[in-house]
Amino acid sequence: AQKVTQAQTEISVVEKEDVTLDCVYETRDTTYYLFWYKQPPSGELVFLIRRNSFDEQNEISGRYSWNFQKSTSSFNFTITASQVVDSAVYFCALNRASGGSYIPTFGRGTSLIVHP
Amino acid sequence: DTGVSQNPRHKITKRGQNVTFRCDPISEHNRLYWYRQTLGQGPEFLTYFQNEAQLEKSRLLSDRFSAERPKGSFSTLEIQRTEQGDSAMYLCASSLAQGVSEQYFGPGTRLTVT
Repeated sequence: AQKVTQAQTEISVVEKEDVTLDCVYETRDTTYYLFWYKQPPSGELVFLIRRNSFDEQNEISGRYSWNFQKSTSSFNFTITASQVVDSAVYFCALNRASGGSYIPTFGRGTSLIVHP
Repeated sequence: DTGVSQNPRHKITKRGQNVTFRCDPISEHNRLYWYRQTLGQGPEFLTYFQNEAQLEKSRLLSDRFSAERPKGSFSTLEIQRTEQGDSAMYLCASSLAQGVSEQYFGPGTRLTVT
């Protein structure tokens, strides 16, 4: 069975603060994929990143960075210098890489509120 | 590329009525997924198509729910004899059929059963 835990239900920060969203996962698979999606108030989930379990390199994309630590089964997401437009619910998801299953397991999401 | 579209965006229905939702995926995407999302939760998988074949169904999909994807293009999700517990956001997503691909989501259909 797969499980994704996003322990932070809601985080509130002031603009320009850095913020880290935690994601811890459980799987018996040795190969898998991890994802982050953003769901702004408009409701449409937007893909942010996909990471293969073989690739433990951290990734940076503009103000976004991701820290994948296989040893602790975590895939944390950091927003640097947060902006009001970052306010959204962020979901971490896990998908098996084998067995022909293309259905991700989502966490419950972390609601990020960025105040001006 | 117009993205994934869903209709209607909102549906209010009385308990016991049937409802049907439509999803139009991104045109070159072979895979299409339906999810249900309730407040404070992540998307919960309902069913998945590759082209016109329905390959997986969740246990959440009771016999009141049926989904189709004729000709592998748009898809419909029908709920018969709606119950108040069916009130939720129904999300559709599509993806390329290349291993484990990222999914592109539509805006959802919000169903309220009174």
